[in-house]
Amino acid sequence: AQKVTQAQTEISVVEKEDVTLDCVYETRDTTYYLFWYKQPPSGELVFLIRRNSFDEQNEISGRYSWNFQKSTSSFNFTITASQVVDSAVYFCALSEYGNTDKLIFGTGTRLQVFP
Amino acid sequence: GAGVSQSPSNKVTEKGKDVELRCDPISGHTALYWYRQSLGQGLEFLIYFQGNSAPDKSGLPSDRFSAERTGGSVSTLTIQRTQQEDSAVYLCASSLYAGQGDYGYTFGSGTRLTVV
Repeated sequence: AQKVTQAQTEISVVEKEDVTLDCVYETRDTTYYLFWYKQPPSGELVFLIRRNSFDEQNEISGRYSWNFQKSTSSFNFTITASQVVDSAVYFCALSEYGNTDKLIFGTGTRLQVFP
Repeated sequence: GAGVSQSPSNKVTEKGKDVELRCDPISGHTALYWYRQSLGQGLEFLIYFQGNSAPDKSGLPSDRFSAERTGGSVSTLTIQRTQQEDSAVYLCASSLYAGQGDYGYTFGSGTRLTVV
């Protein structure tokens, strides 16, 4: 069965700290996609990244970086030098290739960055 | 339009009434999805449209829930005889194509439904 687990319900940090949000997934498929979305207080989900199962290269985009490890079924997200504007709920999600692109979401991690 | 538009943004209804939630996807997007976000929960898939067809309705929680899409564009999610457990934020998303996994969705801001 497909499942996404975000064990951290809430994380609080002080500005400029680095923070890592964990994501562990389960799937029987060999081809799948992993996503991270940000949900700021406004409520709209913002797409951050998509990674396919054949590409285990880590990715960096500005202060954001992602670590994909198939061996541990994890797709962790690190924010370097966090800022107050990073405060949001972050969701990890999984979809299986060739399907409907239906996303299976984790329950989210609420990140609060204090000045 | 430029983004996915949902209306109303907020809806308060009495238990037992029917409600209609509307989604206007990005122009040209063929795939449309409805999700539900209950308090403290992640997002739960409800239904997927490709054009006007709904190949996957597996997430609709009961027969009180239905959805349609017309003209390959606007979609309406209808909840009949609303119950308090239907209270949630209903999110709509669209993407250019489905089944390829190549595109991140674009989500709307959601409709917050409160059943009293």
